[in-house]
Amino acid sequence: EVQLVESGGGLVQPGRSLRLSCTASGFTFGDYAMSWVRQAPGKGLEWVGFIRSNAYGGTTEYAASVKGRFTISKDDSKSIAYLQMNSLKTEDTAVYYCTRALLIVGNTRIDSWGQGTLVTVSS
Amino acid sequence: DIQMTQSPSSLSASVGDRLTISCRASQSINSYLSWLQQKPGKAPKLLIYTASSLQSGVPSRFSGSGSGTDFTLTISSLQPEDFATYYCQQTYSPPWTFGQGTKVEIK
Repeated sequence: EVQLVESGGGLVQPGRSLRLSCTASGFTFGDYAMSWVRQAPGKGLEWVGFIRSNAYGGTTEYAASVKGRFTISKDDSKSIAYLQMNSLKTEDTAVYYCTRALLIVGNTRIDSWGQGTLVTVSS
Repeated sequence: DIQMTQSPSSLSASVGDRLTISCRASQSINSYLSWLQQKPGKAPKLLIYTASSLQSGVPSRFSGSGSGTDFTLTISSLQPEDFATYYCQQTYSPPWTFGQGTKVEIK
């Protein structure tokens, strides 16, 4: 069974940094891309970014709203994905979901979600 | 960026009703379209991928159709556990984008 468990959320002041972790199990972590999606309180879903598997270069893509401030990385040996969030703004307040993504030509999708971790940016 | 527009934003329906939700992309996304279901306080769940493929374990009353820019999610006979918010998402090109959601409520 695929399991994705996020950790590291909490209350942080504007301008500060926070790192989220996503510990994966139940699948061969290195074979998949990993993506982050967030949801502000009472709002819809917003894609944050993803990191490709090493077979596809391990490169990253980001939403414009976080590009230059957030960095996605992963440690295949530990089956952990990370979301490093710098220069946080109040509008970054959201539940952050770790997701597993398939990046196959003709068949690209997010197919598994973690339970989410809440990040609150406030002074 | 590709914009995804869902309609309606909300609807009221009864158990047993046939339901359709629409999703329109601002440009062609071929069939790179997923449908997700989210219940309050829970993570989203994948229902449909590549516009019409049913995710494993999802009941067959859910179906998807469309390609290019226009897509539809259909629930053939609404069940009590189907009252939730539904999102479409394009994975044709980053940034991947979601529709604004359709909340399905009990009439």
